[in-house]
Amino acid sequence: DIVMTQSPASLAVSLGARATINCRSSQSVLFSSNNKNYFAWYQQKPGQPPKVIVSWASARESGVPDRFSGSGSGTDFTLTISSLQAEDVALYYCQQYYSTPWRFGQGTKVEI
Amino acid sequence: EVQLVESGGDLVRPGGSLRISCAASGFTFSKEWMNWVRQAPGKGLEWIGRIKSRSDGGAADYAAPVKGRFTISRDDSRNTLYLQMNSLKTEDTAVYYCAIDVIRGQGTLVTVSS
Repeated sequence: DIVMTQSPASLAVSLGARATINCRSSQSVLFSSNNKNYFAWYQQKPGQPPKVIVSWASARESGVPDRFSGSGSGTDFTLTISSLQAEDVALYYCQQYYSTPWRFGQGTKVEI
Repeated sequence: EVQLVESGGDLVRPGGSLRISCAASGFTFSKEWMNWVRQAPGKGLEWIGRIKSRSDGGAADYAAPVKGRFTISRDDSRNTLYLQMNSLKTEDTAVYYCAIDVIRGQGTLVTVSS
């Protein structure tokens, strides 16, 4: 099984400052035949379902503000919020969908 | 646009059974391998199982906590995925999501309580 290690567990950032969340997988999630990383980031606010904000490691979902960006390949990935806004306060999860069982990170709580 | 709509969640007694559904649209359902993921209250996300497309054999595999109790099936003529849950335990209380690769639905709440 692929193990996902997400850090930090919580993060307090000033309004307008940069927030960086990391996630590491125990095995590569890069599929060589199509050069795609089977990796996603979610944002979850209280009482709501998780919302995918980045898929394929760096493809921002439609409607997601461009202050969110995903980067990385293979085993190391980063979600960056370039200028934190009040509405970005949430839990963030990473996910590998390269192989089953899918695994998710433990979550990062982002606060102001 | 991919749409996945889960339904059928309910309050069930421990030891009881429930079948939930996932209605799919916006893609060729029959070609996709489909998954179920759940999230218990206040907890993280947990993959519980997957079913392959019929053209790839149609087999399902499951996470250890639900193996032998849950069964995933699909009706390609109805573009619908199912999760049959038997011998339910209180720890199965969760919001259940279906997914192709990432979670896009709102989920359906299953509560197991006496």
